[in-house]
Amino acid sequence: SQTIHQWPATLVQPVGSPLSLECTVEGTSNPNLYWYRQAAGRGLQLLFYSVGIGQISSEVPQNLSASRPQDRQFILSSKKLLLSDSGFYLCAWSVRRGREAQYFGPGTRLLVL
Amino acid sequence: QKEVEQNSGPLSVPEGAIASLNCTYSDRGSQSFFWYRQYSGKSPELIMSIYSNGDKEDGRFTAQLNKASQYVSLLIRDSQPSDSATYLCAVKYSGAGSYQLTFGKGTKLSVIP
Repeated sequence: SQTIHQWPATLVQPVGSPLSLECTVEGTSNPNLYWYRQAAGRGLQLLFYSVGIGQISSEVPQNLSASRPQDRQFILSSKKLLLSDSGFYLCAWSVRRGREAQYFGPGTRLLVL
Repeated sequence: QKEVEQNSGPLSVPEGAIASLNCTYSDRGSQSFFWYRQYSGKSPELIMSIYSNGDKEDGRFTAQLNKASQYVSLLIRDSQPSDSATYLCAVKYSGAGSYQLTFGKGTKLSVIP
């Protein structure tokens, strides 16, 4: 069966510091990968998605970036965090084609102070 | 712009009652519909998927889809306090970018013992 991991689970960072969140998927090959952010009391916002190694599409202009160095690894980064970057960051995967759902990892809760 | 609308709630039902959650979507070219459950502080969990008009039952859950009216609903029979969560409706549209999901903001359900 497929498993998706995210770490760290919780992170408290000062404004202006860098960020690196990692997501890995097990039990599947060639998945689509996604990064979402969920701010307090708000809906899911798609940040980035990837259909393959090195292929990244950005949905929202911001100070975040994403990379996919391996088939089942997806990384979310920032060079300088803003207060507004606080939120619940979720990685998800889906099969490459078809009508199936996305499946979420456990998430990383980020607080920028 | 593709939209998915849900009543934010909270929806309160007594234990043992039927909870009815509704969702409307804007684009007729939709092909897949999903319901996710999200407990407070946790990531969304897929509970139902539906692709064709009509009803789909899974245990105490029934998803209903009406493409002509552009709505999808989730019924929870014999509601339990453990069903208290936010329920997210998600729609996958056909065409370019069809691997993306559009999420509603969710309906918060509270089951009263």
